[in-house]
Amino acid sequence: DAGITQSPRHKVTETGTPVTLRCHQTENHRYMYWYRQDPGHGLRLIHYSYGVKDTDKGEVSDGYSVSRSKTEDFLLTLESATSSQTSVYFCAIRGQGVYYGYTFGSGTRLTVV
Amino acid sequence: AQSVTQLGSHVSVSEGALVLLRCNYSSSVPPYLFWYVQYPNQGLQLLLKYTTGATLVKGINGFEAEFKKSETSFHLTKPSAHMSDAAEYFCAVSMNSGGSNYKLTFGKGTLLTVNP
Repeated sequence: DAGITQSPRHKVTETGTPVTLRCHQTENHRYMYWYRQDPGHGLRLIHYSYGVKDTDKGEVSDGYSVSRSKTEDFLLTLESATSSQTSVYFCAIRGQGVYYGYTFGSGTRLTVV
Repeated sequence: AQSVTQLGSHVSVSEGALVLLRCNYSSSVPPYLFWYVQYPNQGLQLLLKYTTGATLVKGINGFEAEFKKSETSFHLTKPSAHMSDAAEYFCAVSMNSGGSNYKLTFGKGTLLTVNP
C-alpha cells in the first residue's frame, strides 16, 4: 500500500540465526504494529509502537523484539529463529485520532529451515 | 480486553446466492469494527468499517455490514455472490480509546468459496 513498505518480501533463513524485518512508512503516523499470519489463527499481534522508542508487547511476543528509533521505521527482530516462526509477517500503521484507519504493508514471507 | 469470533471457518455458496459471514465481538468500551478481505497470496484490503453513527455500513464490491450492539455482532452480507468474491475474510475490532493504542484484534478468518 502507498505510504508503507516492508522489506524483505521473502526470506529463507536457518534455525538459530537472527533475522530483522523492516517496516518503513512515509505517513508520519504515530502507531505501528507487527502481526503474524498463520492458517487457522488469523492475524495475531506481536508488538506495537505508540511513538519513537515507545513499544509494547502483543499477544505472541515471545522470541521477538522490536525497535523504533525514528518515526518512519519499525524493526522486528527474531533473536534466534525457530521453525515455529515460519509465517507471513504484516506491518500496519495508524494515525492518531478517532477516524483514522489502518494501512497494511504487503507482507514478508519468512521461512525458517 | 477485546476479542473477535468468526462463526464458520469455511463458507460455501453458489454464484448469485446470498453471502453471510458472521462476526461477534467483545469489547469493554465502544468498538471500532472492520472487515478485511484477503485474496490468495495478497495483502489485506479493507472492505468496510464502523466507527460511529449509522449502524448499517456499506463497503466496496457490494458488501455491507450492520453493527448490532445488543447482539455484539457485525455480520457481513452481500446479496448476490460473484466468483470473484472467493477469498478469506477477516473481522477485526479495536477499542474506541486512545488509551488502548488502537490495537487491532482479528478473528481467525472465514474462507469463502463460490461455486458456479
